[in-house]
Amino acid sequence: DIVMTQSPDSLAVSLGERATINCKSSQSVLYSSNNKNYLAWYQQKPGQPPKLLIYWASTRESGVPDRFSGSGSGTDFTLTISSLQAEDVAVYYCQQYYSTPPENTFGQGTKLEIK
Amino acid sequence: QVQLVQSGAEVKKPGSSVKVSCKASGGTFSSYTISWVRQAPGQGLEWMGRIIPILGIANYAQKFQGRVTITADKSTSTAYMELSSLRSEDTAVYYCDCASSGYDYFDYWGQGTLVTVSS
Repeated sequence: DIVMTQSPDSLAVSLGERATINCKSSQSVLYSSNNKNYLAWYQQKPGQPPKLLIYWASTRESGVPDRFSGSGSGTDFTLTISSLQAEDVAVYYCQQYYSTPPENTFGQGTKLEIK
Repeated sequence: QVQLVQSGAEVKKPGSSVKVSCKASGGTFSSYTISWVRQAPGQGLEWMGRIIPILGIANYAQKFQGRVTITADKSTSTAYMELSSLRSEDTAVYYCDCASSGYDYFDYWGQGTLVTVSS
């Protein structure tokens, strides 16, 4: 299995400041034939299902505010919220979908709070 | 816009089985992949397996091999997840989700079904 490890486990950021969450995979999730990183990011608020934010490591899902951005390649990835809003308080997960046959795995989650 | 509506909460005894349904609307059910992801109380997300309804082919996470069965009924656009030999550690919210692109990032999610395993 590809193990996904996020850091930090929790994070407190002031409103309007930048928040950065890291995700590291135990092996590369970059598929050489199409040069795509099989990595997604989700946001989960209490009592709700996860919401897709980013796929292919850096493609923002339709309707997601542009303060959310994804970067990285291979084994190291970052989710950045450029200017934290109150509604961004949530747990964030990364997920790899590289494995064949499918064995999708998530990071352990990062809890984001307001400082 | 795909909508996924799951069946209601369940309480089960240890050793029994549970079957959760997930009805899709607003899209082309057969062309998507439907996965199941569970979340134990206060814990993270765990992928269990998926099915491609148009092919009827299911894949399962190694952890759940032999204990989970995922099926799909194209006539009713409904997917099912059955988990057997339940134990207390299976107490969790079970989500179905849809990968409309064909790649396993999940752009639509059901509301979740709480399964409680207790004697």
